[in-house]
Amino acid sequence: EADIYQTPRYLVIGTGKKITLECSQTMGHDKMYWYQQDPGMELHLIHYSYGVNSTEKGDLSSESTVSRIRTEHFPLTLESARPSHTSQYLCASSALWGDEQFFGPGTRLTVL
Amino acid sequence: SQQGEEDPQALSIQEGENATMNCSYKTSINNLQWYRQNSGRGLVHLILIRSNEREKHSGRLRVTLDTSKKSSSLLITASRAADTASYFCATDQTGANNLFFGTGTRLTVIP
Repeated sequence: EADIYQTPRYLVIGTGKKITLECSQTMGHDKMYWYQQDPGMELHLIHYSYGVNSTEKGDLSSESTVSRIRTEHFPLTLESARPSHTSQYLCASSALWGDEQFFGPGTRLTVL
Repeated sequence: SQQGEEDPQALSIQEGENATMNCSYKTSINNLQWYRQNSGRGLVHLILIRSNEREKHSGRLRVTLDTSKKSSSLLITASRAADTASYFCATDQTGANNLFFGTGTRLTVIP
């Protein structure tokens, strides 16, 4: 079992709310990632981080933002949630670029 | 799109049979990886094959890589009901800083 955690596992909120999805890992990995995945579909990278204080946008445009103040913590924030944000969000980490990625269990977000 | 494609999209077999799924990609790679995802969960890494390797084994898994055809296959032998999951290939593409995941194959193993 990978040492990477996501909370909450499920979240149902109303439109316009600000939310933060938490992700933390205890493996000391520098590289961390956020993916968005609709049911039965492929993963799309929305954010990634090289290390503390470095973040980049991924291939899929997203209205979310991320921060990396500590190595182990990589939270994702939506300032104003909309129904189009309904999806599963997966956090992952790796020691090096291109290495095996370790995934958290995911957060399933529903915006009403 | 830089992401790979997998086929079949879905596969249903009887327990004990072998399952083969394929992945095609478009650019030069450093390595190709296979992951499993149980319903509604995160992905679990299965195996990594480097661009200079042609075949790799891990338990009941056998992966092949043909860089000239830009394709890979994952064979699961003697399947079990517990193998029921979605399987994704992911490529570490030359010059990129992240993995590109395929569209996935949904495998159902019937007891």
